[in-house]
Amino acid sequence: EPEVTQTPSHQVTQMGQEVILRCVPISNHLYFYWYRQILGQKVEFLVSFYNNEISEKSEIFDDQFSVERPDGSNFTLKIRSTKLEDSAMYFCASSEQGLNNSPLHFGNGTRLTVT
Amino acid sequence: AQKVTQAQTEISVVEKEDVTLDCVYETRDTTYYLFWYKQPPSGELVFLIRRNSFDEQNEISGRYSWNFQKSTSSFNFTITASQVVDSAVYFCAPHMSNTGKLIFGQGTTLQVKP
Repeated sequence: EPEVTQTPSHQVTQMGQEVILRCVPISNHLYFYWYRQILGQKVEFLVSFYNNEISEKSEIFDDQFSVERPDGSNFTLKIRSTKLEDSAMYFCASSEQGLNNSPLHFGNGTRLTVT
Repeated sequence: AQKVTQAQTEISVVEKEDVTLDCVYETRDTTYYLFWYKQPPSGELVFLIRRNSFDEQNEISGRYSWNFQKSTSSFNFTITASQVVDSAVYFCAPHMSNTGKLIFGQGTTLQVKP
């Protein structure tokens, strides 16, 4: 069964450094998302992306965050200058036709640790 | 405001018991979708079910069943004859039609003891 893949599985970085989290959504999916989960807490929406632009973003997704679909297969989340509170599990997800018509399929996540 | 409540923070049962996980949501939308996801100890989020607000028929998939009650804004999840492998955090996540996102509840941690 096709799946969303994320790399790396664990990323450790120092405060102030830039990180790029990488995702390969399911190939025929058109809608892409990033969510995050701080340890022990609920899953929070960051951003949705469709047709090469951001559809919706949350308050968490400030100017330090950006997303990009540099080619036909990858979907990346960049954090420009990481803070301690950015430590979390970051989940990429994709949907074939958007949530009104199809479910979200999540990757296994990237655990980001900011020291 | 759109909101979801999973009042049970943790549930512990013994294997083979039935267990029901509650989910109550708030919305003013007439069209919306309801999801359940499972997060096992390994951390991934596994899709379990998607229901739309027009379909109130209960659904059964093996040992899993879902009871959708629009009148009480609830979408409860029952595991019959629980197994140790069912131990996980379970999230209810409504999607309201005017947004592009899922709103996750706090999750219910289910522990099934042998």
